[in-house]
Amino acid sequence: EVVLTQSPATLSLFPGERATLSCRASQSVNGYLVWYQQKPGQAPRLLIYETSNRATGIPPRFSGSGSGTDFTLTISSLEPEDFAVYYCQQGYYWPTFGQGTKVDIK
Amino acid sequence: EVQLVESGGGLIQPGGSLRLSCAASGNSFNILFISWVRQAPGKGLEWVTIIYPDDRTFYADAVKGRFTISRDNSKNRVFLQMDALRVDDTALYFCVGSDMPNRGDFWGQGTPVSVSS
Repeated sequence: EVVLTQSPATLSLFPGERATLSCRASQSVNGYLVWYQQKPGQAPRLLIYETSNRATGIPPRFSGSGSGTDFTLTISSLEPEDFAVYYCQQGYYWPTFGQGTKVDIK
Repeated sequence: EVQLVESGGGLIQPGGSLRLSCAASGNSFNILFISWVRQAPGKGLEWVTIIYPDDRTFYADAVKGRFTISRDNSKNRVFLQMDALRVDDTALYFCVGSDMPNRGDFWGQGTPVSVSS
């Protein structure tokens, strides 16, 4: 099983600040790395697929990068609606998720 | 865009069975990959099973031999038959659709399953 490790567990930032979330895989996932956003009481929402492709309707302040085993989700300037839990997921092998990073308001 | 609505969850004793249903709107259901992903209370996400457009199926080791996924394209529905349920199967079960395997493009709101004596 491919283990995904997300860091940090919690990121406390002000609105308008830049958020950088990390996801490290235990082995290469060939770019098949996905990011989701989940708010309390809601289903996850697809943000980024195949490392860097924004899903339909996702604003350009969200961007993904990385390769091999190291991936990053960047939110360039946090809006109030961006405070949520973010999960990475690999789809190259049997799908697995990271444990999540909570972005909360400082 | 595809809309997914789950049903069939509930409270069940260990060893019991439940059948979850996922109803999809839209005309492209038969070409979608449909998965079930679960989330235990207060925990992260776990991919449970997937069914391909050609009816191939794959399962997480934790549910292999106990859960069965199937689809009825004429009714735009996917089913998850869950047998020999265990306490650690307790979770919110999401139906997830996508244009590619192993990715979650569209999510339902989930149906809760609670396994307890």
